[in-house]
Amino acid sequence: QVQLVESGGGVVQPGGSLRLSCAASGFTFSSYGMHWVRQAPGKGLEWVAFIRYDGSNKYYADSVKGRFTISRDNSKNTLYLQMNSLRAEDTAVYYCAKAMGAGLRYYFDYWGQGTLVTVSS
Amino acid sequence: EIVLTQSPGTLSLSPGERATLSCRASQSVSSSYLAWYQQKPGQAPRLLIYGASSRATGIPDRFSGSGSGTDFTLTISRLEPEDFAVYYCQQYGSSPRWTFGQGTKVEIK
Repeated sequence: QVQLVESGGGVVQPGGSLRLSCAASGFTFSSYGMHWVRQAPGKGLEWVAFIRYDGSNKYYADSVKGRFTISRDNSKNTLYLQMNSLRAEDTAVYYCAKAMGAGLRYYFDYWGQGTLVTVSS
Repeated sequence: EIVLTQSPGTLSLSPGERATLSCRASQSVSSSYLAWYQQKPGQAPRLLIYGASSRATGIPDRFSGSGSGTDFTLTISRLEPEDFAVYYCQQYGSSPRWTFGQGTKVEIK
């Protein structure tokens, strides 16, 4: 069965950096695009970033562009999110999600359990 | 960017009742590229519906989706105790900008 397990969350000061990981299993990771989606405490869902199956294209929400970098290592079945210049408003649970669909028309068919990032001094 | 507006914000119903959730888009969602997700407290979202009306694997047939263009509906025909949760719609026709509605909470009356 598909499993996505995030790690790397924690407490970081404003302006700091953090790298999240998402370990995938139960499917051919190298064949699917992957997303990061976040949810601030008590709020709704916000799409953060997407990477194609081979890493050839990456897309970001305007709120994180230039500060976050999505990447993947298909040999390790792992997705990453490098977060720099963190702000209080980046505080959220971060989920990785598997993309399903075609031609960038992707919905999210499996989600990890999430990892909490808290940006606070 | 397509903005999705869900209504109502909260729906108070009893088990066994029918739930009708609305999702309205600020512009037409091409080819009905709309999905619905369920989220329970402390859990990750779960895919219910994609393509506006196709049920995801393992989703009970009491869940159904309909609509096209700018107006979409998620219907739960008879609420079970495990259905009380928050529901989100999401469009994926205007990529690479994936957007969600703000959510509808279905609570026990």
